[in-house]
Amino acid sequence: NAGVMQNPRHLVRRRGQEARLRCSPMKGHSHVYWYRQLPEEGLKFMVYLQKENIIDESGMPKERFSAEFPKEGPSILRIQQVVRGDSAAYFCASSPKDRGIGTEQYFGPGTRLTVT
Amino acid sequence: AQTVTQSQPEMSVQEAETVTLSCTYDTSESDYYLFWYKQPPSRQMILVIRQEAYKQQNATENRFSVNFQKAAKSFSLKISDSQLGDAAMYFCAYRRAQTSGSRLTFGEGTQLTVNP
Repeated sequence: NAGVMQNPRHLVRRRGQEARLRCSPMKGHSHVYWYRQLPEEGLKFMVYLQKENIIDESGMPKERFSAEFPKEGPSILRIQQVVRGDSAAYFCASSPKDRGIGTEQYFGPGTRLTVT
Repeated sequence: AQTVTQSQPEMSVQEAETVTLSCTYDTSESDYYLFWYKQPPSRQMILVIRQEAYKQQNATENRFSVNFQKAAKSFSLKISDSQLGDAAMYFCAYRRAQTSGSRLTFGEGTQLTVNP
């Protein structure tokens, strides 16, 4: 059973460009979380999605950031008009259900975004 | 809001010895989960151990064990017989138990160095 897949692993964008980060959850997992890790800091929650629904986006910046998890295909975290402060590692995690025992979140390897 | 605090930015241990990493948290909830994640230089987040708040017995996983003190809101990680491969950043994390799709709240991390 393949783990959580994220691509690209490294992404370089110039200021003002768009960044698209992809996450394929583990097989059988329909719950996806996105976290951001700024340099020298812990991970911070951004958004929680189920298939075709955004459940909790309270950690997402109000502007330029969006996320989706379509019925088919990976979850996408999209950052428009990137700025240097967006440089960070972005982690995706998935879980098989949303509550109770067995809801551990399994993390992907992360995408390191560098904005020049 | 829940907060997680790791007061030791860095720790070091000699190979084969024991080290304890500290974590405290703040919550008004009675039912929750606590986790320790390991992040090696590859940056992959690896789940080390999990504790359910309703369980009095401390969780153990091979050389890893926790000291869970619910009243004190303390959750320390003990690593016995430390190995070079244990060198990593360790994050303590909290998650509410009953809420659908609850996010993980992470501490700022403890960088563990293992000396040969």
